[in-house]
Amino acid sequence: GENVEQHPSTLSVQEGDSAVIKCTYSDSASNYFPWYKQELGKRPQLIIDIRSNVGEKKDQRIAVTLNKTAKHFSLHITETQPEDSAVYFCAATSPGDKLSFGAGTTVTVRA
Amino acid sequence: GAGVSQSPSNKVTEKGKDVELRCDPISGHTALYWYRQRLGQGLEFLIYFQGNSAPDKSGLPSDRFSAERTGESVSTLTIQRTQQEDSAVYLCASSLAGQNNQPQHFGDGTRLSIL
Repeated sequence: GENVEQHPSTLSVQEGDSAVIKCTYSDSASNYFPWYKQELGKRPQLIIDIRSNVGEKKDQRIAVTLNKTAKHFSLHITETQPEDSAVYFCAATSPGDKLSFGAGTTVTVRA
Repeated sequence: GAGVSQSPSNKVTEKGKDVELRCDPISGHTALYWYRQRLGQGLEFLIYFQGNSAPDKSGLPSDRFSAERTGESVSTLTIQRTQQEDSAVYLCASSLAGQNNQPQHFGDGTRLSIL
C-alpha cells in the first residue's frame, strides 16, 4: 500500500513569510494528492488538491507542486497570516486504493 | 447543501460499555469513510464503504469494532466493550465515488471519552 511521509512535523514562521510543507509517497501509481487544513478542535477541510497530470496548481496564497519522478509534492503558503495557523495533512491515493495521509504539520504563524 | 453530519458530537461512557456513533454523509455521496484521530495525532483509517458494502475493513483495530451502512445513506460505527485506549475523535468523511480520486469531505467528528 501507499506510504506518505510528511515534513516538517512543526513549522513556525513570521507573519508575512512563506511556509513550505513537503510530502513523499511510495506508490508510483498514485495520481491524486489533496491537502487538508485542520484548525484546533475542527474538522479537516480540503484546501487544495492536485492530480498527476499537472505539475502545479495555485489558489490565491496557496500553491501545490508535484514531482512525479521524485515522488514528492509540496504545499506553499505565501504571505502567511495568523489564521493560517493549523495542522496541515497531505495525502495520496492511486486508483482503487484508499487515501493515505501524512502525519501532519503543525504550522504556527507568529505575529 | 448540508455537509457530513455526525452524532453525538461528544460521548462520555464507562469502560466496558458499548457505544454507537452515527454518520450522515452528503446526499449523493456513494463512498463513506471512518477515521480515528487520537489527541494530537494524525488520521487513522478504519473502514471504507462503497454503497452498503465494505470493500476495505483493514483499519478496524479489533473485533470490538464494527460498522454498517444502509444503502448510500447513514452509517454507524459500533465499539463494544469500550477500553480507555478507544478515547479519540472519530471522524467520518464522504465522497462522490469511492477510491476514485474524489475529494473527501469530513464531518465534525464524535469526541469519545472512556472513563
